[in-house]
Amino acid sequence: EADIYQTPRYLVIGTGKKITLECSQTMGHDKMYWYQQDPGMELHLIHYSYGVNSTEKGDLSSESTVSRIRTEHFPLTLESARPSHTSQYLCASSGRAGTGTGIITEAFFGQGTRLTVV
Amino acid sequence: AQKVTQAQTEISVVEKEDVTLDCVYETRDTTYYLFWYKQPPSGELVFLIRRNSFDEQNEISGRYSWNFQKSTSSFNFTITASQVVDSAVYFCALTAGGSYIPTFGRGTSLIVHP
Repeated sequence: EADIYQTPRYLVIGTGKKITLECSQTMGHDKMYWYQQDPGMELHLIHYSYGVNSTEKGDLSSESTVSRIRTEHFPLTLESARPSHTSQYLCASSGRAGTGTGIITEAFFGQGTRLTVV
Repeated sequence: AQKVTQAQTEISVVEKEDVTLDCVYETRDTTYYLFWYKQPPSGELVFLIRRNSFDEQNEISGRYSWNFQKSTSSFNFTITASQVVDSAVYFCALTAGGSYIPTFGRGTSLIVHP
């Protein structure tokens, strides 16, 4: 069972509001990711982090920002929500399978946050 | 650059039929990992299998089997005797070299009718 948690699961918010989507993992993974996905559609990488104080933008341009102050925590913030931000946001992490091994684990996903901006 | 192609957008079968989901990948790296995930209607992604580039053995897990062929850069997924509970979107993914970032295909929606 994956130890990665996202809150809230569902969020309905008005246009112009600032929101933060939380993501935490307890596996000690250094790599973390945020994907945006419309229901049943492809996953778009919007942000990723290779470790503390490391953040990069992904393939899909996003108005959101992220921070990585602690290994386990990778929150995503929208300063001013718009209806075009309505989507599902998935957080994931990955790392190495055991000490000294070069095997990369799969990405472990949280349950997602379904955001609706009205 | 790496790329994953799932050419089948949607597949519809009747229960108990066998179904194969195709996945073709592109990478210049010699070390890479391939994955399959299942996304049921509830939305979470469920990990199914990981295969690294040095292990071409096929794998079977219950009704699921995977065929990895480096010669054709394919990693296909077969469900034998499909069930309604198999209805979901299935994603193939690739992590290559040192980037760690999973690249996902567009997904294949599988609908199993009773």
